[in-house]
Amino acid sequence: AQSVAQPEDQVNVAEGNPLTVKCTYSVSGNPYLFWYVQYPNRGLQFLLKYITGDNLVKGSYGFEAEFNKSQTSFHLKKPSALVSDSALYFCAVMSSSNTGKLIFGQGTTLQVKP
Amino acid sequence: NAGVMQNPRHLVRRRGQEARLRCSPMKGHSHVYWYRQLPEEGLKFMVYLQKENIIDESGMPKERFSAEFPKEGPSILRIQQVVRGDSAAYFCASSPTTGRNEKLFFGSGTQLSVL
Repeated sequence: AQSVAQPEDQVNVAEGNPLTVKCTYSVSGNPYLFWYVQYPNRGLQFLLKYITGDNLVKGSYGFEAEFNKSQTSFHLKKPSALVSDSALYFCAVMSSSNTGKLIFGQGTTLQVKP
Repeated sequence: NAGVMQNPRHLVRRRGQEARLRCSPMKGHSHVYWYRQLPEEGLKFMVYLQKENIIDESGMPKERFSAEFPKEGPSILRIQQVVRGDSAAYFCASSPTTGRNEKLFFGSGTQLSVL
């Protein structure tokens, strides 16, 4: 069975500092991995995805994620956090059934303090 | 190009009533997904539909829940005889095609509250 784990319920960083939101996955075959962000009372917005190729994937709003096959991880990173980055972040893996179904982690709340 | 539209944004029902949640996908998108987000939890897949067809309903509860995506009009998620445990945010997403590298576009959700 495919699954995604986000080990931290909340991450707190100071504005201007680098941030990391952790994600590990379990899949059979090659993983298709995604990060989405959810702002209060809004739907999810796509940030970035890893399909194949370079292990470092760049996405929207200055975010990037590093795919690490040996550690089965796909951590989200940003070199310098902004207060406006405060939101709920979800890691997801695409089902291998080719139906486009996403399996989400439980989410990590990012709080960036001024 | 309008995004994925869901209505209503908030829906209040008493136990035993029916809830109907609507989703209009983005223009040109023929694939619709419904997800449920319970408090303090991530999104759980419920059902995947194409026009007039249910492709994958492995996440749908066996009773009281149904979904459709007719040839004309929005996709509807229907919950009969609602119970308090159905209180959640229900999100719809759409995509233009299917495939493992396709990203989904999400609506703003319907918050269902069952009294």
